[in-house]
Amino acid sequence: ETVMTQSPTSMSTSIGERVTLNCKASQSVGINVDWYQQTPGQSPKLLIYGASNRHTGVPDRFTGSGFGRDFTLTISNMEAEDLAVYYCLQYGSIPWTFGGGTKLELK
Amino acid sequence: QVKLQQSGAELVKPGASVKLSCKTSGYTFSTSYMSWFKQIPGQSIEWIGMIYAGDGGTGYNQKFKGKATLTVDTSSSTAYMDLSSLTTEDSAVYFCARTPGGPWGQGTLVTVSS
Repeated sequence: ETVMTQSPTSMSTSIGERVTLNCKASQSVGINVDWYQQTPGQSPKLLIYGASNRHTGVPDRFTGSGFGRDFTLTISNMEAEDLAVYYCLQYGSIPWTFGGGTKLELK
Repeated sequence: QVKLQQSGAELVKPGASVKLSCKTSGYTFSTSYMSWFKQIPGQSIEWIGMIYAGDGGTGYNQKFKGKATLTVDTSSSTAYMDLSSLTTEDSAVYFCARTPGGPWGQGTLVTVSS
């Protein structure tokens, strides 16, 4: 199965900061990667699909990029509501697999 | 507005089975896919499998074959997941999600305990 490795596992950030989250696949998955945001007690919410396409209603401060094995989610201007755990998901091969998550916290 | 409403929390004994439901509204269920996921609180997420409501065709994560069975009832626009031979390792929150694009249901907490 394709292993998705996210880094860092946690990050201390400040409001207004630019944040970059990484996800590396153990084999090429093309552009078949989504990014999800999950806040405590809530279900995951889709942010980015197909590696770089912003889902409906997602603020444009969220940007996804990457192809093959390396993927990035960037939050250009961190807001308090962005404090959450972020997961990448690959659906390029069966079984679909998630990364371990990156938790964004306030400094 | 697309909505997925999952059934309530379950407390089940080891060895038992449980059937979770995911009632949908706001879109054409019969021509859509539904995925199911498992998340142990504080941990990452696992994909269990997917079902196409049009013909009931399924695809499973090998890890969950024999554990999970996905079905649909198009007359009520509801997806189901049966979990069998439950052990404490099956204690988790289970989510359904319209595929692709979501949304996800609110999740059902399954606790396996004697």
